[in-house]
Amino acid sequence: EVQLQQSGAELGKPGTSVKLSCKVSGYNIRNTYMHWVNQRPGKGLEWIGRIDPANGNTIYAEKFKSKATLTADTSSNTAYMQLSQLKSDDTAIYFCAMPITTLFDYWGQGVMVTVSS
Amino acid sequence: DIQMTQSPSFLSASVGDRVTINCKASQNINKYLNWYQQKLGEAPKLLIYNTNNLQTGIPSRFSGSGSGTDYTLTISSLQPEDVATYFCLQHSSRYTFGAGTKLELK
Repeated sequence: EVQLQQSGAELGKPGTSVKLSCKVSGYNIRNTYMHWVNQRPGKGLEWIGRIDPANGNTIYAEKFKSKATLTADTSSNTAYMQLSQLKSDDTAIYFCAMPITTLFDYWGQGVMVTVSS
Repeated sequence: DIQMTQSPSFLSASVGDRVTINCKASQNINKYLNWYQQKLGEAPKLLIYNTNNLQTGIPSRFSGSGSGTDYTLTISSLQPEDVATYFCLQHSSRYTFGAGTKLELK
C-alpha cells in the first residue's frame, strides 16, 4: 500500500524557516514527481511546486519561487519542502501529493504550519 | 496562468438529488481536468481524472463531462457521505485549482 507520511505540525516565528518532510512507503519516489500544495485557513488549494526526485529538477509556481525550496532524498524515499522568511500569510496546511497512475492520486495527510510571534 | 472559475461556491441539496458542479477555465484545457473531494480535516481525494475517468474505488454515481473551457462534475443521487467540499484542478498548463464548492445536506 502506498502511503505518504508527513511530519508534525510546525510553529514558526516571523522571519524564520521551517522544513517539512513527506516520507513515502510502498513506492519508489524516483519513479514519480512530488508536488506540494497549500491550503490557507478556510480557503482553496494552491499548487506550490514539484520536484523530480530522480534528478532534483524543480518547478515552482511564480509566487513561491523565493518562498519554497524543494528537495528529495531517494535513499530514505523522503521529500522535503523548506519555507523561508515566514510571514503570517504562510499560515496554512501543506500537503505533499504525487501521481502514480494519474495526477495527485496520492496525498499526505497534511501538516499545519502556524506563523506567530 | 490559467484561471479556474468554479460554481456554485455553496450548494445545499437533499439525499437522492442530482447535483452538478461546474468549472470554467480561462482558456482551452483540452480535458486535462480532475475533480477532488475533501472532507473536513482530510486530504483531498481524487474522484475523476481527465474530465470523465472514474478513479478506482469511487462510486459510479460520480461522473464528469466537458471539453474546451467548460467542465462539470455530476453526482447522480446524493448520499449523506457526499457532504464535502469539491475542487476542480486543471493540469493542462501547470496546475490551478478551482476555489471549491461546499456541498451540504438540506
